[in-house]
Amino acid sequence: DGGITQSPKYLFRKEGQNVTLSCEQNLNHDAMYWYRQDPGQGLRLIYYSQIVNDFQKGDIAEGYSVSREKKESFPLTVTSAQKNPTAFYLCASSPDRVSTDTQYFGPGTRLTVL
Amino acid sequence: AQSVTQLGSHVSVSEGALVLLRCNYSSSVPPYLFWYVQYPNQGLQLLLKYTTGATLVKGINGFEAEFKKSETSFHLTKPSAHMSDAAEYFCAVSPRTTSGTYKYIFGTGTRLKVLA
Repeated sequence: DGGITQSPKYLFRKEGQNVTLSCEQNLNHDAMYWYRQDPGQGLRLIYYSQIVNDFQKGDIAEGYSVSREKKESFPLTVTSAQKNPTAFYLCASSPDRVSTDTQYFGPGTRLTVL
Repeated sequence: AQSVTQLGSHVSVSEGALVLLRCNYSSSVPPYLFWYVQYPNQGLQLLLKYTTGATLVKGINGFEAEFKKSETSFHLTKPSAHMSDAAEYFCAVSPRTTSGTYKYIFGTGTRLKVLA
């Protein structure tokens, strides 16, 4: 089955730690995205990538980093510089780099800071 | 700047009643418009989208939405609510651009509760 997988489903981080969230897609999509979801705030774009080895900052990139070394993979690292990382993180992909594209979402990772 | 507003963070309807979830956008050029649904602790799934052509768009699970340019709106409706419709619904817009660089802008979501 084609789709997007995210792991882990739940993640706990201690203060000062970096953690990496995995996102993999087997849809052969060019574009991939990371969103952060907080209650009552909708989805906010962290980073996006429209092609391998290239990515752009979204609206709330501070404290996060990404890489896009392979078309199917777009991992997100939450660094210790992110002061309030507790949230639900969603990865998405879309077939091409056009405005009409549907975005396909993974099941999400819930990150909690202890 | 482009923005999207969803009126009502929580909406309750009785089973079998009409569902109406509101979405308004702000831009001089109508964007592309999307509705997504999210069930608890899951990702988002596309319900329907409007890009061009007929302004009444039919989606999955019996939902539909009508693009009204004069009202800058794209409200989501379903004639008869079912218990399984209980979820959070997000309206999203994407600007019309040929530059190859774009991003969605999401509304803050409306949580739909269906009462037995």
